[in-house]
Amino acid sequence: DGGITQSPKYLFRKEGQNVTLSCEQNLNHDAMYWYRQDPGQGLRLIYYSQIVNDFQKGDIAEGYSVSREKKESFPLTVTSAQKNPTAFYLCASSAEKVQGASNQPQHFGDGTRLSIL
Amino acid sequence: QKEVEQDPGPLSVPEGAIVSLNCTYSNSAFQYFMWYRQYSRKGPELLMYTYSSGNKEDGRFTAQVDKSSKYISLFIRDSQPSDSATYLCAPSGGYQKVTFGTGTKLQVIP
Repeated sequence: DGGITQSPKYLFRKEGQNVTLSCEQNLNHDAMYWYRQDPGQGLRLIYYSQIVNDFQKGDIAEGYSVSREKKESFPLTVTSAQKNPTAFYLCASSAEKVQGASNQPQHFGDGTRLSIL
Repeated sequence: QKEVEQDPGPLSVPEGAIVSLNCTYSNSAFQYFMWYRQYSRKGPELLMYTYSSGNKEDGRFTAQVDKSSKYISLFIRDSQPSDSATYLCAPSGGYQKVTFGTGTKLQVIP
């Protein structure tokens, strides 16, 4: 079955620690996205990538970093610079082919819930 | 003013009722309109994907878009307890990035 796999489901971060959230897709989609979901705030875009080895900052990129070395994979690192990391993190992909466009629907993984110890 | 406004609910209805979920948006450049369903502790699941104004039906679900008033709706007929979830509207299009509403929480009571 094609889909998006996020791991782990739950993650705990200690003070001063960087943690990496995994996102893998087998939908052969070019575009991938990371969102943060907080209660009452909807989904906020952290980073997105439309081709391998290229990515752009979203609305709330500070304290986060990403890489896109393979089409299938788009890991997100939450760095110690992110002072309020507790949230539900969602990875998505879409078949968008046009740079900068958003005409295709996004498909989501089941998320990683990150908490501070 | 938020770019996409959605009543957070919760909305409680009896099983079998017709449910109406609504969003308003301010960006007239939006051309594609999506509805997602999100169960607790899960990722959003694409329910409906429509282009421009008009209606689209899929089983018990109907999406309606009125671009002139910037108003989008999702109707659920014969609602079931399994429809209990949060529903997110998400307009997008052209070079406007997808903008998600905050979601309406629906509870269908058996």
